[in-house]
Amino acid sequence: QKEVEQNSGPLSVPEGAIASLNCTYSDRGSQSFFWYRQYSGKSPELIMSIYSNGDKEDGRFTAQLNKASQYVSLLIRDSQPSDSATYLCAVIGSVFNKFYFGSGTKLNVKP
Amino acid sequence: EPEVTQTPSHQVTQMGQEVILRCVPISNHLYFYWYRQILGQKVEFLVSFYNNEISEKSEIFDDQFSVERPDGSNFTLKIRSTKLEDSAMYFCASSEAGGRGLPQHFGDGTRLSIL
Repeated sequence: QKEVEQNSGPLSVPEGAIASLNCTYSDRGSQSFFWYRQYSGKSPELIMSIYSNGDKEDGRFTAQLNKASQYVSLLIRDSQPSDSATYLCAVIGSVFNKFYFGSGTKLNVKP
Repeated sequence: EPEVTQTPSHQVTQMGQEVILRCVPISNHLYFYWYRQILGQKVEFLVSFYNNEISEKSEIFDDQFSVERPDGSNFTLKIRSTKLEDSAMYFCASSEAGGRGLPQHFGDGTRLSIL
């Protein structure tokens, strides 16, 4: 069983639209959740962290967490071509300080 | 902004040789990590390190691998008897101490090519 699952995409959205990225996880004891952005050939770059159920907003980004459904999502409003990248969901499970990454969702924002 | 630095950016090594990848974590961070990403695949956890010892390791991190903090700033990953399948991008990361899982900050990676 995969610890963290994401749709690999690609997800294509027009410039200015809302991009919705989803992630599910298997460890019900997980407490910490992160979204990273990775451009091709580059390292993962932290976008947001979320620890509590509900929404957390930071600029154009909103992370949503539902622990009962073991589901975390990332919304990107007013998508820009520069947002085109692979978005990685990462979860710290019951084992502290061991990150599990999803395989990532590739986002294409078309001008 | 403080950052994690990794050297070299690209390492080419003959199969069977030993290689050492180097990392300088963010100065006030106390938890250190190594990850591997084979081309086109997901980021895979290798090992976490705290208080001068391994705190967690994955099934990938077998006897071929070792980590060390030789001084107050460097954190190294040694791979012995390298194999073709060790070719990958290796990322070092660090995070602050704390009771809650805090985000990890990644270096730019070392691309390891085994010939």
